[in-house]
Amino acid sequence: KAGVTQTPRYLIKTRGQQVTLSCSPISGHRSVSWYQQTPGQGLQFLFEYFSETQRNKGNFPGRFSGRQFSNSRSEMNVSTLELGDSALYLCASSFWDSNYEQYFGPGTRLTVT
Amino acid sequence: AQSVTQPDIHITVSEGASLELRCNYSYGATPYLFWYVQSPGQGLQLLLKYFSGDTLVQGIKGFEAEFKRSQSSFNLRKPSVHWSDAAEYFCAVAQAAGNKLTFGGGTRVLVKP
Repeated sequence: KAGVTQTPRYLIKTRGQQVTLSCSPISGHRSVSWYQQTPGQGLQFLFEYFSETQRNKGNFPGRFSGRQFSNSRSEMNVSTLELGDSALYLCASSFWDSNYEQYFGPGTRLTVT
Repeated sequence: AQSVTQPDIHITVSEGASLELRCNYSYGATPYLFWYVQSPGQGLQLLLKYFSGDTLVQGIKGFEAEFKRSQSSFNLRKPSVHWSDAAEYFCAVAQAAGNKLTFGGGTRVLVKP
């Protein structure tokens, strides 16, 4: 079974631009969560989607948004990029909404210049 | 709010020696606890999890962890370390509802030949 895939793997953007990251969960998994990893703040939860509905949201500004499609694929969008948004963005999927056992993708490395 | 503390930022261990990584959590209810490993440039791989039952849990790659409620700890151990165990290790606790994980700051393990 294929693992969680994330595209693109690397991305360079300039301040003020917006970016969309994509995540395809493991087949059959319906929950997708997003995390931001930075050297200073570590791993922080962004949001979680289950059956196209956002179930949980972390403490990030409204510039960070996401959605989930009927095939469970998810996208996250960051508008008006700031230098501090440079990070590794990790997507994780799990089979159902409170399974907790999450499987992570390789991440998208976003660099904002 | 729940929190996870990993007191050791870096640990250096000789190949073949034993390894113990510390994790302390703060959580009001029965915690769902996890250990993940991250190799450079990679996503997170689940090593093991504790939901309930036997307080000593076995994971992949020869790792085990012991849940001690009285000490609010979930320490990870491996009897004999291999060079391939060099990586960063993260302890995490799951929120009661949904798939939000709260991570510790991580412990980077270096393995000396």
